[in-house]
Amino acid sequence: LAKTTQPISMDSYEGQEVNITCSHNNIATNDYITWYQQFPSQGPRFIIQGYKTKVTNEVASLFIPADRKSSTLSLPRVSLSDTAVYYCLVGPDRNDMRFGAGTRLTVKP
Amino acid sequence: GAVVSQHPSWVICKSGTSVKIECRSLDFQATTMFWYRQFPKQSLMLMATSNEGSKATYEQGVEKDKFLINHASLTLSTLTVTSAHPEDSSFYICSARPRGTGMNTEAFFGQGTRLTVV
Repeated sequence: LAKTTQPISMDSYEGQEVNITCSHNNIATNDYITWYQQFPSQGPRFIIQGYKTKVTNEVASLFIPADRKSSTLSLPRVSLSDTAVYYCLVGPDRNDMRFGAGTRLTVKP
Repeated sequence: GAVVSQHPSWVICKSGTSVKIECRSLDFQATTMFWYRQFPKQSLMLMATSNEGSKATYEQGVEKDKFLINHASLTLSTLTVTSAHPEDSSFYICSARPRGTGMNTEAFFGQGTRLTVV
């Protein structure tokens, strides 16, 4: 599993767009990038996954540049309920599910 | 989406006793399940990978005799914390991927089990 680096924490305000970047310099050709969200005392929840360029769903967008050495999770117009820890995982290996430190996002009123 | 259920959600046990945590995939089969431990304000730490019908693969530093994992069917894996001590108090989480799906299929997580050893 390619190692990932994310900011430890970020603060934002309600209504703002939040972009969380994940660096994965050693990403392999067949690796996908997957983001999970975790609230306190709950298991992580899948947010979005992508391979290249841009992916959008009802919750977020994922931007992946051509070299794929980084990716950016974009949360539009965050609310207080988006306060959580966000993890990016990179890899195709179904049996390697190690998490990095994640980014603790705090949304303020 | 697919559902993974953990039971119990929380448990308090006395030091020296054993505790069993169940992880079930409710609407899919999972050849492989994963067990994590998470301390406050920290990330999930992978403890072991559980394979149906075979022995679990433990991460370095995780005592296999203390954390017994059994994956008896394609929908159930159990983690037993044996001779629990206060330092084993933590949040335990399981996850699973649906069997037979693509390499990039996301994993589904249980709601976690809060273990407190007194």
